[in-house]
Amino acid sequence: GAGVSQSPRYKVAKRGQDVALRCDPISGHVSLFWYQQALGQGPEFLTYFQNEAQLDKSGLPSDRFFAERPEGSVSTLKIQRTQQEDSAVYLCASSLDAGANNEQFFGPGTRLTVL
Amino acid sequence: AQSVAQPEDQVNVAEGNPLTVKCTYSVSGNPYLFWYVQYPNRGLQFLLKYITGDNLVKGSYGFEAEFNKSQTSFHLKKPSALVSDSALYFCAVRDMRSASKIIFGSGTRLSIRP
Repeated sequence: GAGVSQSPRYKVAKRGQDVALRCDPISGHVSLFWYQQALGQGPEFLTYFQNEAQLDKSGLPSDRFFAERPEGSVSTLKIQRTQQEDSAVYLCASSLDAGANNEQFFGPGTRLTVL
Repeated sequence: AQSVAQPEDQVNVAEGNPLTVKCTYSVSGNPYLFWYVQYPNRGLQFLLKYITGDNLVKGSYGFEAEFNKSQTSFHLKKPSALVSDSALYFCAVRDMRSASKIIFGSGTRLSIRP
């Protein structure tokens, strides 16, 4: 496809369940980013991959959050033992490379609701 | 620390009038600044960026932004607003410490009335 895709678009989980969110970046894009957007807020950085290497995970809020990109393309964000405060839209973005002047292209997001 | 501030939660403009969405920034070194727009149930869309060069940057959908170093501002502008411009707008700055993350403002909801 032409853009970044994410699945599922909507996810409802009971507190304590594990969830996995998928991101398909634009083909050929080296860099991949995950952001968390709470209701009424701007996106906040979670983690960054360059190819399969996770170079920055400083934004992950707790050790319940884990991300991987094993083959340098598709990425999965996993949240274990979900809590209500995890409810948010999770955005994935990709860019051609890590150059500072490269814009990031965002997917439509996955809206996670934890009951 | 790198940061951006969007002082207005909401901006209301009549169709056909000029619009301005304000953004100020705080960075160490040269700023890499961006504007993104978010429509309901859709991802963020890139509008424009300032890296270096001309202070007036032109972007998508007729938008432009003016970089003002002395005022540390990067306001988004459009000469004539359309109802379809109604959306959530985010100013952002590249975090040069990590060369990866983008730091977003809190967003400004732009509402264009017919």
